[in-house]
Amino acid sequence: EAGVTQSPTHLIKTRGQQVTLRCSPISGHTSVYWYQQALGLGLQFLLWYDEGEERNRGNFPPRFSGRQFPNYSSELNVNALELEDSALYLCASSWTGVGTGELFFGEGSRLTVL
Amino acid sequence: ILNVEQSPQSLHVQEGDSTSFTCSFPSSNFYALHWYRWETAKSPEALFVMTLNGDEKKKGRISATLNTKEGYSYLYIKGSQPEDSATYLCAPYLNDYKLSFGAGTTVTVRA
Repeated sequence: EAGVTQSPTHLIKTRGQQVTLRCSPISGHTSVYWYQQALGLGLQFLLWYDEGEERNRGNFPPRFSGRQFPNYSSELNVNALELEDSALYLCASSWTGVGTGELFFGEGSRLTVL
Repeated sequence: ILNVEQSPQSLHVQEGDSTSFTCSFPSSNFYALHWYRWETAKSPEALFVMTLNGDEKKKGRISATLNTKEGYSYLYIKGSQPEDSATYLCAPYLNDYKLSFGAGTTVTVRA
């Protein structure tokens, strides 16, 4: 069974550009979570999607957005990139949207903003 | 801002020794408590999801207990091995569609 897949694995952007990160959950999982790990910091909660709906978002500016598609895959968009957006972005999926299902993480997308 | 505290921030343990560390979280609206292990250059991996007060879970040499009334969980590693070296993360779910992780306890097992 395929795990959570994320693309791209690495990318380099410049300030002001826009980026889209993609995530495919494990088959049968309906919940997708996005986290950011900036250098020296822990995992910061970004977004939670379940059954196509955004359930909650963390303390990030509106230029961080995303969506979940009918096949439960998801994408994270970051507009007007800033240097501090350089980070590892992790996607995770779960079979349930009520917080009792363990998360399965992808290998992440490492974004560098120059 | 959710107040999830993990202590200590880091610890070193000799191979073969046992160790434990703590996750503290708000006890109100508690729904579940997650534990994950995050090894260097890998993705976080789930260890336990605990929901009931007094719950105890075990996976190999690693076990965890949960006290939802006072808002804490302990993770124990028995007979530590070098492969146990990792950062251990906890995340409480308070029925608010947000799973926020603590900063973690980084365990280094010395051979």
